[in-house]
Amino acid sequence: GESVGLHLPTLSVQEGDNSIINCAYSNSASDYFIWYKQESGKGPQFIIDIRSNMDKRQGQRVTVLLNKTVKHLSLQIAATQPGDSAVYFCAENMEGAQKLVFGQGTRLTINP
Amino acid sequence: EAQVTQNPRYLITVTGKKLTVTCSQNMNHEYMSWYRQDPGLGLRQIYYSMNVEVTDKGDVPEGYKVSRKEKRNFPLILESPSPNQTSLYFCASNHGLAANNEQFFGPGTRLTVL
Repeated sequence: GESVGLHLPTLSVQEGDNSIINCAYSNSASDYFIWYKQESGKGPQFIIDIRSNMDKRQGQRVTVLLNKTVKHLSLQIAATQPGDSAVYFCAENMEGAQKLVFGQGTRLTINP
Repeated sequence: EAQVTQNPRYLITVTGKKLTVTCSQNMNHEYMSWYRQDPGLGLRQIYYSMNVEVTDKGDVPEGYKVSRKEKRNFPLILESPSPNQTSLYFCASNHGLAANNEQFFGPGTRLTVL
């Protein structure tokens, strides 16, 4: 499969447990944040997003938390499944900026 | 099906031989962007386009060109590829005129320049 990062932080969880992936973002002026999932050999896939006027947003089995005070973003995955194995990226966008700035990613592995 | 497509998916070429990687989206998105992904460096933006005939440089534009003659297509052109352009390339698109909406990514193009 494709290598998206040779020395990524890795999180290993037991199947069925909850996963929490953390991200520290760089720009206090960023006002839009996204989590992406990238499986081997595929492009990044949108999971969930959040704007800076919120501190929590929930999707199906996923929750994103935003703490603007400490510039921290987290992704919680409930009842982790084998199909959740992937590299997870956070990305930020500063208002008026024409790009997403991506974090380095975290590799999530699921133990049976 | 709503999607971003890229061609080719894999390409091995030699230094100096001009190549084009095509990108097409069927979602009527205004904003399109090209990224390269390298181990340890993550995803970095090469060029972006806010709409037809509007393009601008991203963080790593050297050695690349783009065009946006039609809304759906955003080809990436390497006029004289060099080995340091060996990478995994992704095209992405989203609604709106900025990168502040859900970006849809293509499947990627693995380029090797010998």
